[in-house]
Amino acid sequence: GAVVSQHPSWVICKSGTSVKIECRSLDFQATTMFWYRQFPKQSLMLMATSNEGSKATYEQGVEKDKFLINHASLTLSTLTVTSAHPEDSSFYICSARSAGNTIYFGEGSWLTVV
Amino acid sequence: GDSVTQMEGPVTLSEEAFLTINCTYTATGYPSLFWYVQYPGEGLQLLLKATKADDKGSNKGFEATYRKETTSFHLEKGSVQVSDSAVYFCALSDLRGNKLVFGAGTILRVKS
Repeated sequence: GAVVSQHPSWVICKSGTSVKIECRSLDFQATTMFWYRQFPKQSLMLMATSNEGSKATYEQGVEKDKFLINHASLTLSTLTVTSAHPEDSSFYICSARSAGNTIYFGEGSWLTVV
Repeated sequence: GDSVTQMEGPVTLSEEAFLTINCTYTATGYPSLFWYVQYPGEGLQLLLKATKADDKGSNKGFEATYRKETTSFHLEKGSVQVSDSAVYFCALSDLRGNKLVFGAGTILRVKS
């Protein structure tokens, strides 16, 4: 079946630094990818919709200058958390939509900012 | 806006017990409805879905029926196993299928 891979699975970074998370669709092309954030014991909140070759669409309340999203190819979208702070520590999950309109989720990435 | 409400957990059951996790939604029109499962330390996996009223989604012994009249999509399983322990999310997609709106998730713990 279709697979979406995220990397890294776990990352610890120092406050003030930037960290990049990759989301790849391994066996299909995804014109649209989605980035979610999940706080402990809470639901997933959509952060932004990423379309290949164009600017991402951010949900209300999400700082686009802080959470940079790039969708440079049909199989790769990246989320960069800039100038990370401890409150950015969270579980970030991406998903990709196939041509058949099925959405597949990545394994998620744990970010801890110290 | 669209929203999904799930019963609060955690739900703790003994093996072979009957499971129901309630889910209701608020949406414009007739969205598609989904149940996703998240095992510890993993991402989300689609468990089942229904795209129109009265549709029944089923997978791995789990079932849910799209009830338009009650705007519900309750998840059921007749006999749970320890391996079913996970977090279950009810979700809907907007009419264009552009994004998913998730419920808060329900933790299920099954004891042997």
